[in-house]
Amino acid sequence: GQNIDQPTEMTATEGAIVQINCTYQTSGFNGLFWYQQHAGEAPTFLSYNVLDGLEEKGRFSSFLSRSKGYSYLLLKELQMKDSASYLCAAMDSNYQLIWGAGTKLIIKP
Amino acid sequence: ETGVTQTPRHLVMGMTNKKSLKCEQHLGHNAMYWYKQSAKKPLELMFVYSLEERVENNSVPSRFSPECPNSSHLFLHLHTLQPEDSALYLCASSQEPSGAYNEQFFGPGTRLTVL
Repeated sequence: GQNIDQPTEMTATEGAIVQINCTYQTSGFNGLFWYQQHAGEAPTFLSYNVLDGLEEKGRFSSFLSRSKGYSYLLLKELQMKDSASYLCAAMDSNYQLIWGAGTKLIIKP
Repeated sequence: ETGVTQTPRHLVMGMTNKKSLKCEQHLGHNAMYWYKQSAKKPLELMFVYSLEERVENNSVPSRFSPECPNSSHLFLHLHTLQPEDSALYLCASSQEPSGAYNEQFFGPGTRLTVL
C-alpha cells in the first residue's frame, strides 16, 4: 500500500534549526511536496522536489532522496511564527497526492 | 477576493439537517478538490473535478454530494450526516487535475460539527 510517515510533533527553540523528516512508499513517484498549515488556516505550499538533492528557499530548505524514499524539511533561524503543522505529500504514478498526517512544530522562546 | 474562498467557516448541524458548503476559486484553475481533514490524520481526498466534470470519487458515502456548476465554483451538499463526519473540510484548486508539479491552492476550510 501507499504510505507517508512523519513525526506527530516536534519542539524547537526560537533561533535554532529543526529538521522534519518524511518517508514515503508510493506506486511510482512524481515528486514530493511540503505544505505549512497554521492552526485554523489553509495549507500553503512550501516546496516541491522531484530530483535528488537540496532545494533552498530562504530560511527553508527541502531535501529528497528517491532511492531511500526520504525527504526532510529544514527550517533555520526559527521564528515564533513558524509554529504550525508541516504536511508532507508524495505524488504517485497517477499524479495523486498521498498525504502524511502532518508534524506539529512548537517553537519555544 | 483572491485565491480560494470557502463559506461558511464554521457550521454546526444536526444529523437530520441538510446544509451546503461553498468554495470559490479566483485563480483561473481547471481542477477543484474536496478534502476531509480530521485531527492527527492525513488529508482524505473526497472528490476531484476537472472542467466541471467529476474525475475522482474516493468511495465517499452518498450523504456527501458534490456539485460543480462551473470551473470557479464547487459545492458540497450534506444530508443525514453522522457525528464521525465532524472535521475540517478543505477545498483546493490547481491548474490541472494531474501532472507533475501540480501545486494545489487551499481555502481556509469549513469546520463542521455534527451533533
